[in-house]
Amino acid sequence: ETGVTQSPTHLIKTRGQQVTLRCSSQSGHNTVSWYQQALGQGPQFIFQYYREEENGRGNFPPRFSGLQFPNYSSELNVNALELDDSALYLCASSFRLAGIGSTDTQYFGPGTRLTVL
Amino acid sequence: RKEVEQDPGPFNVPEGATVAFNCTYSNSASQSFFWYRQDCRKEPKLLMSVYSSGNEDGRFTAQLNRASQYISLLIRDSKLSDSATYLCVVSRVGTYKYIFGTGTRLKVLA
Repeated sequence: ETGVTQSPTHLIKTRGQQVTLRCSSQSGHNTVSWYQQALGQGPQFIFQYYREEENGRGNFPPRFSGLQFPNYSSELNVNALELDDSALYLCASSFRLAGIGSTDTQYFGPGTRLTVL
Repeated sequence: RKEVEQDPGPFNVPEGATVAFNCTYSNSASQSFFWYRQDCRKEPKLLMSVYSSGNEDGRFTAQLNRASQYISLLIRDSKLSDSATYLCVVSRVGTYKYIFGTGTRLKVLA
């Protein structure tokens, strides 16, 4: 197992509601990335946090927001939920050395399956 | 056109067969390459990184062709437990995000 945990495992919400998903990174890792995976598709990058700051964002609207805490755990918040937000939300943790430009290997948590009705 | 493209399959092969998947990427600035395996309704798990010189891990061999912008995964002596979706992942210089293909489904038949 990767040591990356996510909560909750499943969630059902209705349109217009807000949701917060949580991720604890693997011990020793300082970077957390969030991905959305719709059924039958590959994961799509939402954003990444490094040293508590957003460090790159995919093509997602501002109602997707996040945080990283001093212990490197992270939250993903989604406001004004839409039906198309139904997906598996994956968190991945990695360790980045400052100043190193190559991509660090990412290890995924089990995901949160969100259903929006 | 998607930045990373894979044949979705499914590839149905008998146990013991050799199977190969290709993945093409469109951005020549791509720098890092990986294969992940994903079981149904589970998270992606790192199978192997892909290096320029090619690399092997047991029954699995990965190759990178920068000139033609594709990577490949070869699985020898397929096992029933190899049945899964194989995700091709590319990352560009200057970014740290992963760009995934849609995945190739493999089913190994007894």
